[in-house]
Amino acid sequence: GDSVTQTEGLVTLTKGLPVMLNCTYQTTYSPFLFWYVQHLNEAPKLLLKSSTDNKRTEHQGFYATLHKSSSSFHLQKSSVQLSDSALYFCALSIYQGGRALIFGTGTTVSVSP
Amino acid sequence: DPKIIQKPKYLVAVTGSEKILICEQYLGHNAMYWYRQSAKKPLEFMFSYSYQKLMDNQTASSRFQPQSSKKNHLDLQITALKPDDSATYFCASSHRLGGAETLYFGSGTRLTVL
Repeated sequence: GDSVTQTEGLVTLTKGLPVMLNCTYQTTYSPFLFWYVQHLNEAPKLLLKSSTDNKRTEHQGFYATLHKSSSSFHLQKSSVQLSDSALYFCALSIYQGGRALIFGTGTTVSVSP
Repeated sequence: DPKIIQKPKYLVAVTGSEKILICEQYLGHNAMYWYRQSAKKPLEFMFSYSYQKLMDNQTASSRFQPQSSKKNHLDLQITALKPDDSATYFCASSHRLGGAETLYFGSGTRLTVL
């Protein structure tokens, strides 16, 4: 069935360092991929969503590229800030209607000074 | 102003009781959803509705019943509550179901079952 895999449960790093969060997916349909961010005690909200195959999409310093050849949509940022500490979810939507967003298990990012 | 209103924000219930979680969205969206978040399953899809019609149900238990009285309402009735039902329940909506649609989430109802 359709699924999303996030391999890191927790990523801890120091302010100013780069980060990459892994996301791979499995589906037989045409996929749309999303990254949602959830800060402590808040609701999840959209960070960015995929564009066409092999095209980079960016928002708020974060970027990701959908690679259908490897079924991946990894999230990256070149220099993390303290405010980036949050829970990050990768999510899959398929074009065939009726299906809701399928979320990965999430990666907690903890940034220290 | 919040565009998706969930009530109550916090809810404490006793085992075996029944509760209703309220959700109203003012985004003019046609699709609405319920998700559950707990330590065991970070964001678990429960139900999706499109134009007030149930489209997908991934909840194994019939104790969870969504109710859509109006296009912009999707309440969640939970009967015979169990401690395992303790979680934060998020309502969400999107312009339409599926595809590249962005989901917008409410602030959640945190349910604790004693």
